[in-house]
Amino acid sequence: SSELTQDPAVSVALGQTVRITCQGDSLRSSYASWYQQKPGQAPVLVNHGKNNRPSGIPDRFSGSSSGNTASLTITGAQAEDEADYYCNSRGSSSHHAVVFGGGTKLTVL
Amino acid sequence: EVQLEESGGDVVQPGGSLRLSCAASGFSFDNHAMHWVRQAPGKGLEWVSLISWDDGSIYYAVSVKGRFTVSRDNSKNSLYLQMDSLRVDDTAIYYCAKDIGSSSVSHYMDVWGKGTMVTVSS
Repeated sequence: SSELTQDPAVSVALGQTVRITCQGDSLRSSYASWYQQKPGQAPVLVNHGKNNRPSGIPDRFSGSSSGNTASLTITGAQAEDEADYYCNSRGSSSHHAVVFGGGTKLTVL
Repeated sequence: EVQLEESGGDVVQPGGSLRLSCAASGFSFDNHAMHWVRQAPGKGLEWVSLISWDDGSIYYAVSVKGRFTVSRDNSKNSLYLQMDSLRVDDTAIYYCAKDIGSSSVSHYMDVWGKGTMVTVSS
């Protein structure tokens, strides 16, 4: 089982705003990073730390954190945003240096 | 262009061994920690291992500790994963990923390879 919990599936209407969440004790002391993965492709980093976007990532992707919950918000979702999204963070125990959430499948309606 | 390319994936019997390689280009490989992450068919991402830029820090997931060994050759811009005592549940696409920090270790992976498939089956 993952130390980070994500909703398995979320949907959003085209052009609307959606928040994808990630919960876990490790998030109280470690910022999350977020990865987008489309079918048959490698993951792509879309946000990390205190809301940092790599070059080339649209500014509609933003990250935030509060307590044990990290969130990725997509403001004005586009059809091309339909994908699986994974959070990760530093592990909360000595057993795992890094942990991933189980992933959220985002459907854009 | 910053690139990572994995190789070495194959079909292997349970109990067998395999060595994966990851060739890096377009960045200062010897300044960055590197990760291995795997994804079983139809499943989510699972972190496997992390090696710091200078080999000084190495970490493994509990599921592979004692069976997998990560290493790197900075002179060849290459990362490796030696996998021994392979099990059916090690079947996955294995990705190498670059840590975003320079001369530091984090969980932020800003460049990923396309992955190499490892199938463990009798």
